[in-house]
Amino acid sequence: KAGVTQTPRYLIKTRGQQVTLSCSPISGHRSVSWYQQTPGQGLQFLFEYFSETQRNKGNFPGRFSGRQFSNSRSEMNVSTLELGDSALYLCASSLMAGTKNIQYFGAGTRLSVL
Amino acid sequence: DQQVKQNSPSLSVQEGRISILNCDYTNSMFDYFLWYKKYPAEGPTFLISISSIKDKNEDGRFTVFLNKSAKHLSLHIVPSQPGDSAVYFCAAGAYNAGNMLTFGGGTRLMVKP
Repeated sequence: KAGVTQTPRYLIKTRGQQVTLSCSPISGHRSVSWYQQTPGQGLQFLFEYFSETQRNKGNFPGRFSGRQFSNSRSEMNVSTLELGDSALYLCASSLMAGTKNIQYFGAGTRLSVL
Repeated sequence: DQQVKQNSPSLSVQEGRISILNCDYTNSMFDYFLWYKKYPAEGPTFLISISSIKDKNEDGRFTVFLNKSAKHLSLHIVPSQPGDSAVYFCAAGAYNAGNMLTFGGGTRLMVKP
């Protein structure tokens, strides 16, 4: 069974641009969560999608948004990029929502904002 | 505020000995806890979890202990192997929060041959 796939693996953007990251969950998994990892803040929850609906949202500005498609694939978008958005963005999928479902992570997309 | 903390940024252990990684939390509403291992250039890999109604869970060389009164959990790895060298994250979740996990800052474990 293929794992969680994130594309692209690396991305370089400049301030003010926008970026879209993609995540394909494990086949059959319906929940997709996004996390941001930075050296200073660690791993922080961005948002979770289940059956195309956002279920939870972390404490991030509105420049960070996401969506989920009917095949459970998810995208996250960051608009008006800032230098502080440079981070590793991780996607995790799980079978269902809540009830201590194990989340399986992709390898991440490393975004550098210049 | 940090709801989940791993106070030791790094830990060095000799191969064959026990590794003990610690994690403290402040939010008593967490219902379950997990440990993930992360190698460079890879995503976190699930290791073991424990429900808040239990005080111990064991899986092979890995055992997680939970002390609810102290809001403290620990991961024991016995015996430690060089391949265990990685960054370990503890994470906490609540049943009413979907799949949102709150992570600690991580502990880098180095197992020396």
